[in-house]
Amino acid sequence: GAVVSQHPSRVICKSGTSVKIECRSLDFQATTMFWYRQFPKQSLMLMATSNEGSKATYEQGVEKDKFLINHASLTLSTLTVTSAHPEDSSFYICSAFGLAGHTGELFFGEGSRLTVL
Amino acid sequence: GQNIDQPTEMTATEGAIVQINCTYQTSGFNGLFWYQQHAGEAPTFLSYNVLDGLEEKGRFSSFLSRSKGYSYLLLKELQMKDSASYLCAVRDSNYQLIWGAGTKLIIKP
Repeated sequence: GAVVSQHPSRVICKSGTSVKIECRSLDFQATTMFWYRQFPKQSLMLMATSNEGSKATYEQGVEKDKFLINHASLTLSTLTVTSAHPEDSSFYICSAFGLAGHTGELFFGEGSRLTVL
Repeated sequence: GQNIDQPTEMTATEGAIVQINCTYQTSGFNGLFWYQQHAGEAPTFLSYNVLDGLEEKGRFSSFLSRSKGYSYLLLKELQMKDSASYLCAVRDSNYQLIWGAGTKLIIKP
């Protein structure tokens, strides 16, 4: 099946620094990837839809300048949390539809746990 | 507005059967997904229903009734490792995924 890999799995950073999270589709091309955030004991919250070669589509309430998304190739999307603050500490997960596209399942990366001190 | 409802928490006994219900109200329908998520991990795919009826996959089955806006996930022969959150998600007419809050399933010996 399709595989999505996310890196790093855990990151701890100081307040005010920026953190980049990578999401790769390993055996398929993903023109669209999704970035989610999940706080403890809560469901997934869609942050943005990343489109290869164009600007990402952000959900209401998500700051574009704070959460920079770049989808430069068909297999890589990156999320950069700029000037991170403790309230940005969360579990960030990327996903993409597999080869079957809209009729197929959504594959998730392993997730990245961000802790901002 | 769009809404997906599922119970917050359920408890079941090892070896038994449990049914997790999901009701939805969305703008259009293009499929319903069930995912399993263990604490601290990303969700993993369990099932996908787009037509009415029951889809069976090993110990797990998923049912859909589009006219009732209803689905359930049935887990048989429960094992301790089935303790997890189960997420119901519906894809609407814009192919946006709408997520339920998840049902935390606790399995007791």
